Amino acid sequence: AAGVIQSPRHLIKEKRETATLKCYPIPRHDTVYWYQQGPGQDPQFLISFYEKMQSDKGSIPDRFSAQQFSDYHSELNMSSLELGDSALYFCASSLALKTGTSGSGDTQYFGPGTRLTVL
Amino acid sequence: QQQVKQSPQSLIVQKGGISIINCAYENTAFDYFPWYQQFPGKGPALLIAIRPDVSEKKEGRFTISFNKSAKQFSLHIMDSQPGDSATYFCAASGAGAGSYQLTFGKGTKLSVIP
Repeated sequence: AAGVIQSPRHLIKEKRETATLKCYPIPRHDTVYWYQQGPGQDPQFLISFYEKMQSDKGSIPDRFSAQQFSDYHSELNMSSLELGDSALYFCASSLALKTGTSGSGDTQYFGPGTRLTVL
Repeated sequence: QQQVKQSPQSLIVQKGGISIINCAYENTAFDYFPWYQQFPGKGPALLIAIRPDVSEKKEGRFTISFNKSAKQFSLHIMDSQPGDSATYFCAASGAGAGSYQLTFGKGTKLSVIP
């Protein structure tokens, strides 16, 4: 079965540079979530999109922005990178619950992640 | 404030034994409780999940027990194998809590020794 695709898998940047991470959700999934995981830490929610609209926002720095496109893929844009931004960035996708049905819109499937290293 | 508390932080189990990981949550609006398995450098993989309308769910060697009144849930891995050695995260989410974002526990590093 097709899974979530993330690119690039590894990225090395200098301080103050910018980075763009891409996420391609599972086919037919309409919701995308972004998480950041520091070394030895649990994943922390950054932001989510449903049907190309931002649906929720977590602990995402103002230096970061994201969007979801018409084909449902999403991009996380990170500017003025800092050493502390070094982490694994995961994208997860789900199929939103539909009103009146017993769905699994909260079942999230994670991608393999992008390892960002800021030097 | 850690909304999902997970214990133990690390666990060593003999091959064939039972691994038990516990979680407790604060927010009564949570209504979906998944467990994820993560290998180093890989993405979290969904293992099994439960909703508050059942007290137990079993899939193969993995069982979730859920106690709504105590706001606790646990993962049992039966017949633990060296290949189960990984970090396990419990999580919680719920539309009533604001969105379907997952709130994770701090993780449990499981080592299964031969």
